[in-house]
Amino acid sequence: GENVEQHPSTLSVQEGDSAVIKCTYSDSASNYFPWYKQELGKRPQLIIDIRSNVGEKKDQRIAVTLNKTAKHFSLHITETQPEDSAVYFCAATSNAGGTSYGKLTFGQGTILTVHP
Amino acid sequence: DAGITQSPRHKVTETGTPVTLRCHQTENHRYMYWYRQDPGHGLRLIHYSYGVKDTDKGEVSDGYSVSRSKTEDFLLTLESATSSQTSVYFCAISESTEETQYFGPGTRLLVL
Repeated sequence: GENVEQHPSTLSVQEGDSAVIKCTYSDSASNYFPWYKQELGKRPQLIIDIRSNVGEKKDQRIAVTLNKTAKHFSLHITETQPEDSAVYFCAATSNAGGTSYGKLTFGQGTILTVHP
Repeated sequence: DAGITQSPRHKVTETGTPVTLRCHQTENHRYMYWYRQDPGHGLRLIHYSYGVKDTDKGEVSDGYSVSRSKTEDFLLTLESATSSQTSVYFCAISESTEETQYFGPGTRLLVL
């Protein structure tokens, strides 16, 4: 099945710095890549997603890039704020066949800490 | 948040007892999923459903069964709970495989 690797497992930055989290996937049929943010004791919530027909997507301070050839995608957060502190998960799925069809496979998560 | 509820929200049980967790949605979404979340493993898919009475296994399905007799309800059953099933369980829903999955509030299960 699909395998998603996420790095780093922990990331500590100063307020105002940028943060980058990277993920790789194994199933070349995967074509939908969401990113979730999970605050302590809360449910995961979607913050941005990208489909395989797009190389980059931006929403205010958050951006995601996708390299289909290399099978990796990244989350970029600029001008970080203390409220960005949370666990971030990448995921991959396919709606066009392949081993991951219809099923999201998650990375292991990155604990982001933004120091004031 | 999408209209998803989970019950119970917390449960403590003993090894060997059966446990059923319920996920209820008011969005009329076709797809429903059960995940477990453990430190260092992220979210792992247990079972999912693509319609009433249509279910399939995920990557960690051993020891779990599911049922979906109505669009709005998806039940997860641990036939005989073990300590390794101590976890936080999340339900999720989506309109299709091409759409975002929305998560429920989670159920904390402790098996003693």
